[in-house]
Amino acid sequence: EPEVTQTPSHQVTQMGQEVILRCVPISNHLYFYWYRQILGQKVEFLVSFYNNEISEKSEIFDDQFSVERPDGSNFTLKIRSTKLEDSAMYFCASSDFTASGGPGMDTQYFGPGTRLTVL
Amino acid sequence: AQKVTQAQTEISVVEKEDVTLDCVYETRDTTYYLFWYKQPPSGELVFLIRRNSFDEQNEISGRYSWNFQKSTSSFNFTITASQVVDSAVYFCALSEDWKQGGSEKLVFGKGTKLTVNP
Repeated sequence: EPEVTQTPSHQVTQMGQEVILRCVPISNHLYFYWYRQILGQKVEFLVSFYNNEISEKSEIFDDQFSVERPDGSNFTLKIRSTKLEDSAMYFCASSDFTASGGPGMDTQYFGPGTRLTVL
Repeated sequence: AQKVTQAQTEISVVEKEDVTLDCVYETRDTTYYLFWYKQPPSGELVFLIRRNSFDEQNEISGRYSWNFQKSTSSFNFTITASQVVDSAVYFCALSEDWKQGGSEKLVFGKGTKLTVNP
C-alpha cells in the first residue's frame, strides 16, 4: 500500500539554524500539505501546495517558512532561522485531486512525522 | 470559520468495554467532510474514516462504528469491545468544500486520549 514517507524522523538543531524537512508524498497525489503538532497539543495546518505553488497558508506559516517541490517526488519544508517554539512534530500529508471533486473531498494521508527539537 | 470540539480530554476503560468518543463541529458550509484519525503512542496519524456531509448513514467497520448526526453537528466514534491496542489519541477533523470557497485544510479537534487497561 502506498504511503507518505518523511525524513529525518528526528532532527535536533540549534536556535537560529536552518532546517529542511523532507517528504515523499504518495506518487499519484497532487495536493501536498504540512501540519505541525506541538507536544501534547492538537494538529495545526501550516500550508497546502498544488501545481507548484502555495494554495493556502495559515498565520503560523510566516516568512521563516517556505515549501518547495524540487523534483517530481520530494516535497520540502524549510525553516530559515529556527526558534525554540518551532519545536514540534511536523507532518506531511498528500491527497488526490479528482476531476469531479477537490482536495477537501479526498482523504489526506499523513506521513509518520519528523520530530524537530530546537535547542 | 470551522471548529471541531472534542470535549473528552482523556478516557480510561477496561478491556472489552465499549467506549464512545464525542466530536462536535461547526461550519458555515453546507458541504463538508468529517474525518477521524488515530495517533498511537508511536506518533503517526492513521486515517480511520471520512464522511461527506450529504451522507448521514452510520458506518460500521469491525469493532468501530460512527454516528453522524447533522441535526446536532456531531460525528461520534464508538469502539465496541475495546482492546489494549486501541489505546491512542483519537482526533476528529473537518474540511470544507473548496468549490464553495471553503478551505481544503483539515481543522482538528484537540483529541481524546483513550487508555484501555487490561
